[in-house]
Amino acid sequence: DTGVSQDPRHKITKRGQNVTFRCDPISEHNRLYWYRQTLGQGPEFLTYFQNEAQLEKSRLLSDRFSAERPKGSFSTLEIQRTEQGDSAMYLCASSSRGGGLDEQYFGPGTRLTVT
Amino acid sequence: DAKTTQPNSMESNEEEPVHLPCNHSTISGTDYIHWYRQLPSQGPEYVIHGLTSNVNNRMASLAIAEDRKSSTLILHRATLRDAAVYYCILNKWQAGTALIFGKGTTLSVSS
Repeated sequence: DTGVSQDPRHKITKRGQNVTFRCDPISEHNRLYWYRQTLGQGPEFLTYFQNEAQLEKSRLLSDRFSAERPKGSFSTLEIQRTEQGDSAMYLCASSSRGGGLDEQYFGPGTRLTVT
Repeated sequence: DAKTTQPNSMESNEEEPVHLPCNHSTISGTDYIHWYRQLPSQGPEYVIHGLTSNVNNRMASLAIAEDRKSSTLILHRATLRDAAVYYCILNKWQAGTALIFGKGTTLSVSS
């Protein structure tokens, strides 16, 4: 069990550029979550996949954000036309059970800085 | 959604027990009580969860009030590595529920 990995760990981009983050979940986990965390706040839910299907999206996920999970394995989160307000830590988590018994395992996050 | 209330911060000395409280007065019968913690510069880490009965694992103990309107995470002997933000979260029984994090309790541990 190598845990959840995320790439890159840090990304600095200029306003208006597109960025893409990758998350590799724990291999046997069929559920994958994306969260965003700004300084001093707890993580906020963005979107959720069960296998390759994107089942839930938060209102935080504007039209500039898109997430995919082809073949139900790794996932990507793309932000188009980045804005300074997108600067945050983007966290990925995976789990196998779902529901009240769910234990989500988080990756180290990708810290995005938009200049 | 049911909400949780936690103190903003707590302090402890190394090797002493720590009791982290959480109030969830609007909890429903199908809400599980989960605790996660986040060490500096890391993603959150699952600690423990329970429904009605007290729970123990290698990391901590969870004491749940009889009316389930409050719970306490107990670290039996705090170490410097336990300094983190601790989040109390209510997780519904339905599959695929996202975690709703508050601001949590920042625990400081002194040697």
